Order: sequence, then C-alpha cells, then structure tokens
Amino acid sequence: DVKVTQSSRYLVKRTGEKVFLECVQDMDHENMFWYRQDPGLGLRLIYFSYDVKMKEKGDIPEGYSVSREKKERFSLILESASTNQTSMYLCASSSTGTGLSTNEKLFFGSGTQLSVL
Amino acid sequence: AQKITQTQPGMFVQEKEAVTLDCTYDTSDQSYGLFWYKQPSSGEMIFLIYQGSYDEQNATEGRYSLNFQKARKSANLVISASQLGDSAMYFCAMREYSSASKIIFGSGTRLSIRP
Repeated sequence: DVKVTQSSRYLVKRTGEKVFLECVQDMDHENMFWYRQDPGLGLRLIYFSYDVKMKEKGDIPEGYSVSREKKERFSLILESASTNQTSMYLCASSSTGTGLSTNEKLFFGSGTQLSVL
Repeated sequence: AQKITQTQPGMFVQEKEAVTLDCTYDTSDQSYGLFWYKQPSSGEMIFLIYQGSYDEQNATEGRYSLNFQKARKSANLVISASQLGDSAMYFCAMREYSSASKIIFGSGTRLSIRP
C-alpha cells in the first residue's frame, strides 16, 4: 500500500525554536509538497520539490525552508517558529507520469498539527 | 498567476439529493489538470476525480462527475444521490503544465448531508 509518512501527528514548540517537520514517501515519486491548512483558507502551498536537491517556492514560503537530500524524504524547516505558524501541515507526493493525467494525483500524509506557544 | 476559487464555504443538502460544488479557476496556460479531493473529519485527503484541459468528455467516477466548462473556467463537482458519508470538506485543485508540478488548492467547501 502506498504511503506518505509524517514523523509527528502533534507537535508543540516555543516561539523562536527551530522546528523540523519530516516527510517520507515509499512510492519513488519525483514530486513532493508541503502545504499548510488553516480554516477558511484551504490548503496553501509552502514549497515543493520535483527532484532531489531541487526546490521551488510555493505561494507562502516566508518563514520556511526545505531540504530534499534523498528522493524519498522532504523536510520542512521553520528557522525561528512564530505563533502565526501554528497550523496543520500536510505533506504530499506525486508522480510526474507521462504528462497531465490522473497519475499526477497527490498522495497525502496524515498531517502534523503544530502549535507554537 | 494560477488561482482556484471556491465560493461556497458551507452547504447543507438532504440525503439522496444531488449536490453541485462550485470551482472556478484562473490560468493563462492551455494545458492544465483539475482535481477534486475529499477530506472527512478524520483528516485524510481522498482523491475523487481528475479532468484534463484537453479531455473532451466530462470526467466521471461512480457517483462523482465533473461539470467542466472550459470557456467559463469552471470545474464543478457533482455528487449524485448524496449519502451521509459524503459529509466532509471538499477541495478543488489545479496543476498547470508549465509550472513544474506545482499544484494549488481552493479554500474548500464544507458539505453536510442531512438525514
């Protein structure tokens, strides 16, 4: 069964802390994504990666960075956590496939609820 | 820039009725794909249906169909014969072919089915 695993379901951190959110997929997917989900705002794209060591900014990259040293792992880093980064963080992966098709659908992890106090 | 708009924050529908969830999008690309996902209260994201910009027919998957109107840039999800288990958040998403795998989402619609 295909799987995207996020290391923590719940996380509580203090403002100013450096926070690492880890995501691992076992489907050999080229693409990996980090979204945050907030009520009324839907899912907003933070960063995505289409290959190892490659990264692209999404719509809300400020305050975040990412790392993809291996194909299966995509890490989201909050250099200095702030209270406005309290949110549900969702990792996803997808295959590039042979072009636009349903094969490019996203597979999601179960999410990390981060609280920054 | 690509953008997805879902204008219905919440909807209530009677069980067994059909329901249409609205989605409009903005893109300058000719090649793009549109997705719908369901998120029940458990939080998991479930893929429902996909429509490619060059697909001539509207996509269908069981009780789900996508009313794709390219000129109007709308991709509404139609659920026929709604069931209590359809109560969930529904998200519309889009990928532009020129955007290196970038997929963006709308703000979602919370659907509640009344028995």
